[in-house]
Amino acid sequence: GAGVSQSPSNKVTEKGKDVELRCDPISGHTALYWYRQSLGQGLEFLIYFQGNSAPDKSGLPSDRFSAERTGGSVSTLTIQRTQQEDSAVYLCASSLLAGAELFFGEGSRLTVL
Amino acid sequence: RKEVEQDPGPFNVPEGATVAFNCTYSNSASQSFFWYRQDCRKEPKLLMSVYSSGNEDGRFTAQLNRASQYISLLIRDSKLSDSATYLCVVRGNNNDMRFGAGTRLTVKP
Repeated sequence: GAGVSQSPSNKVTEKGKDVELRCDPISGHTALYWYRQSLGQGLEFLIYFQGNSAPDKSGLPSDRFSAERTGGSVSTLTIQRTQQEDSAVYLCASSLLAGAELFFGEGSRLTVL
Repeated sequence: RKEVEQDPGPFNVPEGATVAFNCTYSNSASQSFFWYRQDCRKEPKLLMSVYSSGNEDGRFTAQLNRASQYISLLIRDSKLSDSATYLCVVRGNNNDMRFGAGTRLTVKP
């Protein structure tokens, strides 16, 4: 499809394991954002990529969280040594230009047991 | 203090009612402002941008007060299909997009 694609849609893992979440943005979109949404809560900003510029990592909650964007397209969010409080829906969004309309994927629901 | 603050609600209104949501932001250098809508268990989608002069899109009116760092959304003649969470979004001077926690609206018959 032509929308933002995220995988996996659901991930159940054990505490202490590492997980990788993938985001495939809309082709041609230069900006890519990761957010986290806990049940009944708003969107918590995690990280933002714009073209080839250094990413804005100011929202990453701890050094267990990291993200990369290869070739200005696909992005991977990695959570190391997962904790139960990491359980949430991780949403990726892309936009044609920074600050323009965000198009979201359907999210990756992470459950840490 | 949170960067973007909203009254979480919930707002429960009858069909046909007029309802208003407010949002305040802390960064005076913020560049652009938006309202997004999120249906239950769905991803957020853009409802409308907010322009300095205020703007209207059908039953929806958005207003911005830069001096007070305040944004509003007015919905007239509420429909059942307007039931959703409304998210205030602020673009910072670094092009980061920050979301409020959202205001939940339920329109009842």
